[in-house]
Amino acid sequence: DAKTTQPPSMDCAEGRAANLPCNHSTISGNEYVYWYRQIHSQGPQYIIHGLKNNETNEMASLIITEDRKSSTLILPHATLRDTAVYYCIVRVAGGAGSYQLTFGKGTKLSVIP
Amino acid sequence: NAGVMQNPRHLVRRRGQEARLRCSPMKGHSHVYWYRQLPEEGLKFMVYLQKENIIDESGMPKERFSAEFPKEGPSILRIQQVVRGDSAAYFCASSAGAEKLFFGSGTQLSVL
Repeated sequence: DAKTTQPPSMDCAEGRAANLPCNHSTISGNEYVYWYRQIHSQGPQYIIHGLKNNETNEMASLIITEDRKSSTLILPHATLRDTAVYYCIVRVAGGAGSYQLTFGKGTKLSVIP
Repeated sequence: NAGVMQNPRHLVRRRGQEARLRCSPMKGHSHVYWYRQLPEEGLKFMVYLQKENIIDESGMPKERFSAEFPKEGPSILRIQQVVRGDSAAYFCASSAGAEKLFFGSGTQLSVL
């Protein structure tokens, strides 16, 4: 899987949008961008994934640049419960090795009251 | 629709004892994965199983660790003769295919 680079930490005011960046300059054409988060002491939680089009679901939006070398996860109205470590992961979907998620250090997001 | 269930939530063992960690996947999921998270570190892949088969155990230590996913019942991660370095959070995940993995709440293993 391609390597990703994320800032180690970010702060966000409660109620504001949280924009978490991720660089994946070596991503391959068949690799998806996945986002998971881990709230303290809990198991990772799937947030969203995409290939090249922007995606939105009930939790977040994913914006992928046209060259696919970077992406941004957007939490539109951050709450205190969104305080967590956010992991950006690139992986193929399907085929040998696709099941392994390679977790880096992620971004520790702190939502401030 | 219950999620991935892991038990026990906390497990304390003395050095040399055996640890058995159980994982029941989400209903309809036949793929199970085990990950380990050492203190202050990221999650590391250990093993991937489908019913009665180990598909990939490349992340599993060669000795003392084993995993199974029998036809009936939960998946079991077994650690024999535990040492202090085995103290970690062990997470199980399941999936129906190759897209989304759903994780359990983990088992925190403490070795005294």
